[in-house]
Amino acid sequence: AQTVTQSQPEMSVQEAETVTLSCTYDTSESNYYLFWYKQPPSRQMILVIRQEAYKQQNATENRFSVNFQKAAKSFSLKISDSQLGDTAMYFCAFMKHDTAGGGADGLTFGKGTHLIIQP
Amino acid sequence: DAGVTQSPTHLIKTRGQHVTLRCSPISGHKSVSWYQQVLGQGPQFIFQYYEKEERGRGNFPDRFSARQFPNYSSELNVNALLLGDSALYLCASSLGFGGGAFFGQGTRLTVV
Repeated sequence: AQTVTQSQPEMSVQEAETVTLSCTYDTSESNYYLFWYKQPPSRQMILVIRQEAYKQQNATENRFSVNFQKAAKSFSLKISDSQLGDTAMYFCAFMKHDTAGGGADGLTFGKGTHLIIQP
Repeated sequence: DAGVTQSPTHLIKTRGQHVTLRCSPISGHKSVSWYQQVLGQGPQFIFQYYEKEERGRGNFPDRFSARQFPNYSSELNVNALLLGDSALYLCASSLGFGGGAFFGQGTRLTVV
């Protein structure tokens, strides 16, 4: 079974600052996917960024980037030029590769980090 | 294009009753999964369906069941409701093969 650990229950930064959210995971799988999801107060879960474990290059999506360290089983999210709208719960998630498609075990989520962007 | 849609958005049920939650995936997505999110926690995986077959099941009792229809929509059924079943139930769809799951707005179930 996989586990995902987010060690920062809550973080607070000023608008326009850069913030890094931590995530570590434990798995015996060699091929898998990692994700960061954002859940604002509306409770809608939004996919922020995705990383394929077999790719060494770190994924980026505009102001969001990850630092993927496969050997250390670490997957942190960096948010640059933070904005008030970035205030939300952020969840790190793991999914093992399913050769038949679909992702047989679904997503395993961490407990989340509550990020607060102060004006 | 419409995203993942779930119905109803809110529901109040009494202990012992049965509930059916519905989910319509994004057009073209063949994979649907269900999650339970208790307040203050991350979502917990309940079921995964791909091409109308159950592909995975989380650690939930047999009171929980689901199915996927030919149009790839899905239902989650929960029998003999307990107070502890009160949660936000999330449905997600994807193309499969690790492409990233897209979530609906959830169904807030309250059991009294």
